[in-house]
Amino acid sequence: EVQLVESGGGLIQPGGSLRLSCAASGFTVSSNYMSWVRQAPGKGLEWVSVIYSGGSTYYADSVKGRFTISRDNSKNTLYLQMNSLRAEDTAVYYCARDLGDGSAFDIWGQGTMVTVSS
Amino acid sequence: QSALTQPPSASGSPGQSVTISCTGTSSDVGGYNYVSWYQQHPGKAPKLMIYEVSKRPSGVPDRFSGSKSGNTASLTVSGLQAEDEADYYCSSYAGSNKGPVFGGGTKLTVL
Repeated sequence: EVQLVESGGGLIQPGGSLRLSCAASGFTVSSNYMSWVRQAPGKGLEWVSVIYSGGSTYYADSVKGRFTISRDNSKNTLYLQMNSLRAEDTAVYYCARDLGDGSAFDIWGQGTMVTVSS
Repeated sequence: QSALTQPPSASGSPGQSVTISCTGTSSDVGGYNYVSWYQQHPGKAPKLMIYEVSKRPSGVPDRFSGSKSGNTASLTVSGLQAEDEADYYCSSYAGSNKGPVFGGGTKLTVL
């Protein structure tokens, strides 16, 4: 079965760091474009970051310089390292597989909640 | 403020049709045939319903259809069913080396 399972969310103080994981099964992470998308409580979807199959990475302006996307091919797992966290980063974070053209996400994880609060 | 504009709500009775609009610019919706639509039930992950303006992934009922004219895309749900009640988000490709842009979402209510 093709699926994504996120983990690593939790309550963190402003300025802190957190690493999210997204374990894939049924397909190979490194062969696909993989993104992180977040959703603040009661709000809409916001794209956060992408890693292309070739390894190039890109970020939304709101997280550039603070977040790092990466993958471990041996574990077939996607990561999001989040540093210098702010209250406005509070959201459910989803990992998602891109259809392959950078335009749409066909497989989503169940999401992991990140709460940034003192 | 979201990059794409959607009405906050839409509604229809069972069996009826409803259309949700999604307005962008020539840099996103109008510039590419890469508009997608997602359905999201409360507490669940989004589900891809339409991609490349009008294509349906396997398993999505043909009651769901998409179209585009200029800078505005539309999702039409025909033969409304109770399970169609959800939030719907549009999204558009906005260029290489960046992610897609999303609309603010439309809450569809089946009366």
